[in-house]
Amino acid sequence: EAGVAQSPRYKIIEKRQSVAFWCNPISGHATLYWYQQILGQGPKLLIQFQNNGVVDDSQLPKDRFSAERLKGVDSTLKIQPAKLEDSAVYLCASSLVGGLYEQYFGPGTRLTVT
Amino acid sequence: EDKVVQSPLSLVVHEGDTVTLNCSYEVTNFRSLLWYKQEKKAPTFLFMLTSSGIEKKSGRLSSILDKKELFSILNITATQTGDSAVYLCAVPSYSGAGSYQLTFGKGTKLSVIP
Repeated sequence: EAGVAQSPRYKIIEKRQSVAFWCNPISGHATLYWYQQILGQGPKLLIQFQNNGVVDDSQLPKDRFSAERLKGVDSTLKIQPAKLEDSAVYLCASSLVGGLYEQYFGPGTRLTVT
Repeated sequence: EDKVVQSPLSLVVHEGDTVTLNCSYEVTNFRSLLWYKQEKKAPTFLFMLTSSGIEKKSGRLSSILDKKELFSILNITATQTGDSAVYLCAVPSYSGAGSYQLTFGKGTKLSVIP
């Protein structure tokens, strides 16, 4: 079974620039999550999709972050403009049954904002 | 707001030692507790616990849940350098539309010295 795919794996940008991350979940997983993990912290949920609808985006900084999952499969997360404090690993995860059980994580994208 | 607290935050042991990692939680409508291991990027699933007092075991790792006292422990016996990682504890929180999201603790960073 193929896992969750993410790209790019690493990205370095200057502050005020924009960046986009891509995620392809495990086939058949209706629920997709984007997490932000700052060094030394546990992952923090940014946004949760069920198929192509948003279930929870209460912790997404909507003035600069946006995400979409147009066809209910792969998803993109965008930051525009980036700030220094956005430096983190961005993890995508997917699950069956709305996340009550195990979530499967992608390898993540390490973003450095200089 | 649901909360997960892990202790210790970091731990250094020698190969062959036994370690116990702690996770306490506060969650509305508890359903389960999950343990993940994070080595480089993506957290990988270890255990899901739903019932008190029933030990889950996988090789040298084992975990148990106490729903009365609201905590779980993860034990690793005869530690090896390959056990060096961050161990994350998480609980599902209901996010609406029949879906759940994971609330993570900060993790315990385990370093095993040869």
